[in-house]
Amino acid sequence: NAGVTQTPKFQVLKTGQSMTLQCAQDMNHEYMSWYRQDPGMGLRLIHYSVGAGITDQGEVPNGYNVSRSTTEDFPLRLLSAAPSQTSVYFCASSSTGAPGVTQYFGPGTRLLVL
Amino acid sequence: GDSVTQMEGPVTLSEEAFLTINCTYTATGYPSLFWYVQYPGEGLQLLLKATKADDKGSNKGFEATYRKETTSFHLEKGSVQVSDSAVYFCALSLRGFQKLVFGTGTRLLVSP
Repeated sequence: NAGVTQTPKFQVLKTGQSMTLQCAQDMNHEYMSWYRQDPGMGLRLIHYSVGAGITDQGEVPNGYNVSRSTTEDFPLRLLSAAPSQTSVYFCASSSTGAPGVTQYFGPGTRLLVL
Repeated sequence: GDSVTQMEGPVTLSEEAFLTINCTYTATGYPSLFWYVQYPGEGLQLLLKATKADDKGSNKGFEATYRKETTSFHLEKGSVQVSDSAVYFCALSLRGFQKLVFGTGTRLLVSP
């Protein structure tokens, strides 16, 4: 049971380039989320999904797209990278939307946009 | 809006010292409360949680009690170890939503 996996671990992009951050979970979780972690700001929610085919915006969605075609995968797309998107990105999943349920986090992707 | 406030770090302690990391929250509803820990180079792991007032979450010697009257969820450990060095995040989740609201994190450094 691998849990939540993310690829790549580290990426350098030039301004204007596009890329997709991959996230997969093997726990059959319905809920998946993307967060970004910036110094002094904790984690902020980018997008989330409550099931295959259903996504919604979080606190900081601008510049990012998501889709959820399967229960297992929840990729995050940067269409035109900007230096402000330099951050560490975490994917998370949980079995339900109940308020006390545990979220499981992946190891993160460190992104540097030059 | 809903928010979590944590004490500024870093917190620097010697091994076997007592640890307190303060956390207070503001929420429009009745949240569940969490402490997550991030070890160097790793993702976040759930440390403990509490879902209703006066509940005490505990794990690995850490404890936190959900205090509704003071809107707090302070993290404590009686005797820290070098291996506890990490960043600790307090977070809340509101009823009906799975989205977490995080504090800014508190870095703990424990020296031998």
